[in-house]
Amino acid sequence: GQNIDQPTEMTATEGAIVQINCTYQTSGFNGLFWYQQHAGEAPTFLSYNVLDGLEEKGRFSSFLSRSKGYSYLLLKELQMKDSASYLCAVRDSNYQLIWGAGTKLIIKP
Amino acid sequence: GAVVSQHPSRVICKSGTSVKIECRSLDFQATTMFWYRQFPKKSLMLMATSNEGSKATYEQGVEKDKFLINHASLTLSTLTVTSAHPEDSSFYICSANPVGRDHSPLHFGNGTRLTVT
Repeated sequence: GQNIDQPTEMTATEGAIVQINCTYQTSGFNGLFWYQQHAGEAPTFLSYNVLDGLEEKGRFSSFLSRSKGYSYLLLKELQMKDSASYLCAVRDSNYQLIWGAGTKLIIKP
Repeated sequence: GAVVSQHPSRVICKSGTSVKIECRSLDFQATTMFWYRQFPKKSLMLMATSNEGSKATYEQGVEKDKFLINHASLTLSTLTVTSAHPEDSSFYICSANPVGRDHSPLHFGNGTRLTVT
């Protein structure tokens, strides 16, 4: 079967750095996505990795290792507004998106 | 660009009635749209893939007669929850990709919060 694993919940301090990990086992691979979802709202796109390595976009970076089936989302200089759920999703060989259950990130002052 | 509009954002209905949710791609055409539902503190669950001009493809366990999908044009897909019951109360979200951009991230509507009393 296909599955994506990410921690259920993480807590971090305002101004700090946090890394959210995602491991996956899917039928083929056509890219990995990270989305942010605030409570009661739809997901918004954060990043996309299809090749190994680090993609940096402002305070957010995403890393991919296809051989390890592993990705992480790195959030720097945390702000209170970063409190949200972070969803990892992988596009498989049929271009279907497989979603992780999401990681709820709690930012404390 | 690539804006998806979903309406209504919130609806409350009585048990046994039907509710229609619209999903529109405002500045692009989409031959395929996706309908998700999400229960509190749970991840997105794909319900069905809406295909313009043909029948929708439903995921296992999703009743096609209960969740009617119509994709009559390249910019509009509708989901009708028929004979709604309290257990259908959920957050329904649609998404779409521009035609020919299957590698792009999905663009989501703002979601519809359905409460069935």
